[in-house]
Amino acid sequence: GAVVSQHPSWVICKSGTSVKIECRSLDFQATTMFWYRQFPKQSLMLMATSNEGSKATYEQGVEKDKFLINHASLTLSTLTVTSAHPEDSSFYICSAPASEGPDGKLFFGSGTQLSVL
Amino acid sequence: QKEVEQDPGPLSVPEGAIVSLNCTYSNSAFQYFMWYRQYSRKGPELLMYTYSSGNKEDGRFTAQVDKSSKYISLFIRDSQPSDSATYLCAMSAGGAQKLVFGQGTRLTINP
Repeated sequence: GAVVSQHPSWVICKSGTSVKIECRSLDFQATTMFWYRQFPKQSLMLMATSNEGSKATYEQGVEKDKFLINHASLTLSTLTVTSAHPEDSSFYICSAPASEGPDGKLFFGSGTQLSVL
Repeated sequence: QKEVEQDPGPLSVPEGAIVSLNCTYSNSAFQYFMWYRQYSRKGPELLMYTYSSGNKEDGRFTAQVDKSSKYISLFIRDSQPSDSATYLCAMSAGGAQKLVFGQGTRLTINP
């Protein structure tokens, strides 16, 4: 299957600082990438859709000024958690479809565990 | 009511048993159905992908979709300890990408 690389795998930061998470499609190009959030023992919740060359689309209830998304190229999307607070501590996962079109299968990165002190 | 319902378990079975995992859903527009396996603190791994109704088999895994009942299943034959993980069902109406996930079922296969 296609490979999606996500870094870092875990990060600890102080409250009020910003954290950047990178998501790369290694062997394919992705005009769209997705960012999810997962709390312990819960399912994945879609936060936003990252679009190459244009603004991201955020799901209802997700603060766009807090979770900044930049899709700089066809293989890289970044999520920046700005002014992080303890309630932002969570497991963040990115994904990308391996092909264009509605039936493009979604492949996931390995996730980033964010802990805000 | 959630769009996708999945029993979170935990489910514990002996090695070699047949495992049945299920999800129900309420949105009749769902056309794309997937099963993902997720190990602890890792990203989900795509196991099975089905478009519309029917059965699909891949090795020890079989996925079934019954759109009339809004019910999907994943069967694991000859289960192995390495199958121990959380299994997530996911589905979509607007393509395989805009997915709605179930809560996930934690499965443990005991040697």
